[in-house]
Amino acid sequence: AQSVSQHNHHVILSEAASLELGCNYSYGGTVNLFWYVQYPGQHLQLLLKYFSGDPLVKGIKGFEAEFIKSKFSFNLRKPSVQWSDTAEYFCAVNNAGNNRKLIWGLGTSLAVNP
Amino acid sequence: GAGVSQSPSNKVTEKGKDVELRCDPISGHTALYWYRQRLGQGLEFLIYFQGNSAPDKSGLPSDRFSAERTGESVSTLTIQRTQQEDSAVYLCASSLGSSGSQETQYFGPGTRLLVL
Repeated sequence: AQSVSQHNHHVILSEAASLELGCNYSYGGTVNLFWYVQYPGQHLQLLLKYFSGDPLVKGIKGFEAEFIKSKFSFNLRKPSVQWSDTAEYFCAVNNAGNNRKLIWGLGTSLAVNP
Repeated sequence: GAGVSQSPSNKVTEKGKDVELRCDPISGHTALYWYRQRLGQGLEFLIYFQGNSAPDKSGLPSDRFSAERTGESVSTLTIQRTQQEDSAVYLCASSLGSSGSQETQYFGPGTRLLVL
């Protein structure tokens, strides 16, 4: 069965520090990959997604993620975090094709200290 | 425009009672999804609708759970004879429905269910 693993459950950073959140998935076929974010008191929203083409994808608010097929990874990065990046970050995957069911990681709680 | 809305925002019920959770998707979105998130867990897929039919209901945990969608709009998730392990946040999402698995799913605020 598909699964998604997020290695960091809680991350605390100071402003301007660099961020990398790990995401690995298990599935042998072609996948679509997503990072969603939930800011305090807000709905889940899409940060970025990958389904084909350039494995380095850019999302909103300066975030980017790199798909490394050989490592089954889709790590999220930001070179310089801000206090407003404090949020819960979720990695999710589904099968390419018409299977819409998203499989989710447990999430990473990021706290950025001003 | 309006986003996905869910009601009620919070529901407290007694074990054994039935509950209904409602989801209003974004207008024009033909695909609708239900997930739940139990404390300390990731989101679990429950069911998705394309129009009024449910091509994938593989995530419904038991026959106490059912969902329907009418008029390609509102959906209701019903949990019968609630158990304490049903306590969770129930999230609804919708998407355009025309681009398959690549589509962005837009989430509502969730219904927080507590079964005493």
